[in-house]
Amino acid sequence: DAGITQSPRHKVTETGTPVTLRCHQTENHRYMYWYRQDPGHGLRLIHYSYGVKDTDKGEVSDGYSVSRSKTEDFLLTLESATSSQTSVYFCAISLGQLRTADEQYFGPGTRLTVT
Amino acid sequence: TQLLEQSPQFLSIQEGENLTVYCNSSSVFSSLQWYRQEPGEGPVLLVTVVTGGEVKKLKRLTFQFGDARKDSSLHITAAQPGDTGLYLCAGVSNQGGKLIFGQGTELSVKP
Repeated sequence: DAGITQSPRHKVTETGTPVTLRCHQTENHRYMYWYRQDPGHGLRLIHYSYGVKDTDKGEVSDGYSVSRSKTEDFLLTLESATSSQTSVYFCAISLGQLRTADEQYFGPGTRLTVT
Repeated sequence: TQLLEQSPQFLSIQEGENLTVYCNSSSVFSSLQWYRQEPGEGPVLLVTVVTGGEVKKLKRLTFQFGDARKDSSLHITAAQPGDTGLYLCAGVSNQGGKLIFGQGTELSVKP
């Protein structure tokens, strides 16, 4: 157990509203990630962080922003939610020191529905 | 762009049968990971293979990394209903070291 929690676990929101998802870890791991999971696409990286205030884009970053003001928290924001952002969002951490190449441990996920 | 293709995407078998899931790419990966995911939960790491030709066993699960490090397979012997879930392979890309996931294989083992 890597001590990862996500909140909320479920959310329904309307198109055009801002949404923030939170990932919290208890063990001061350096690397944190946000993925989205959609049927037929596996997991796709949205953004990741390699330290406080250090973040970078993944393959599907359009429409998303992130912030990491504390080691333990990594926030994902949808500035203006669209129906195409309906998905299950997973936060992950990696235990080692190598950038993103290490084995990752996932939170329980947030199911987001944009109506 | 590096891609990982998993096959089959869906597999429904009876308890006691054997099965193999494949993860293929035209690109070389420095290592490859296998995860298992149950409904409503996040993926859980099963194994990492690093060396071309490497074989790792986890009880009834056997993982193999291709000699050229472009493909991998997961073989389950005598499947049980508890093996039901989504199996994902993930390779460490040569572009920034990020994880590239396959689209997953959904396995259902019926008693």
